[in-house]
Amino acid sequence: AQKVTQAQTEISVVEKEDVTLDCVYETRDTTYYLFWYKQPPSGELVFLIRRNSFDEQNEISGRYSWNFQKSTSSFNFTITASQVVDSAVYFCALSEGGTGRRALTFGSGTRLQVQP
Amino acid sequence: DAGVIQSPRHEVTEMGQEVTLRCKPISGHDYLFWYRQTMMRGLELLIYFNNNVPIDDSGMPEDRFSAKMPNASFSTLKIQPSEPRDSAVYFCASSLRVTQETQYFGPGTRLLVL
Repeated sequence: AQKVTQAQTEISVVEKEDVTLDCVYETRDTTYYLFWYKQPPSGELVFLIRRNSFDEQNEISGRYSWNFQKSTSSFNFTITASQVVDSAVYFCALSEGGTGRRALTFGSGTRLQVQP
Repeated sequence: DAGVIQSPRHEVTEMGQEVTLRCKPISGHDYLFWYRQTMMRGLELLIYFNNNVPIDDSGMPEDRFSAKMPNASFSTLKIQPSEPRDSAVYFCASSLRVTQETQYFGPGTRLLVL
């Protein structure tokens, strides 16, 4: 069975601070995909990034960066120089690869509050 | 391009009433998913379709819930009869056929059953 753990329920930082959101996953599949979604106060789910299990290269997109480490089954998300607009709930998710089940298994989410 | 469209955005109904949620996936997407978000259980899959055929309905809570996809551009999730514990945000998502393409979510339907 797949499982995604986001141990940080809520994080509060002051604007311009860096913040890292942790994600640990469990799967027996050798091929799988990892995702991060953002849920702002308005409620929609916004896709941020997708990573497959064969690509451990870290990725940077503006102030966002992701660190994927298969050895520790982690896919952490860092926001550099946080801004108030980053305040949201962030979800890490996992799905099977190949011809496996397509559904996403979500973590419980981390609520990030960025104070001005 | 239009994203996933869901209607209604908000629904308030009384216990025992029938509720129908609607979803239009992104044009060309072959997979359609229904998820539910509650405080207690978080985000969980209810059912998903591939080319209009239900593939996995293991997340459908009980027989009161049913989902259909009569064509590639429309799906419904029906609850009959509704109960207060069905109150949640229901999301529809769609993705392309290729291996594990990203799922794009609609804005959700916030359902309140009194």
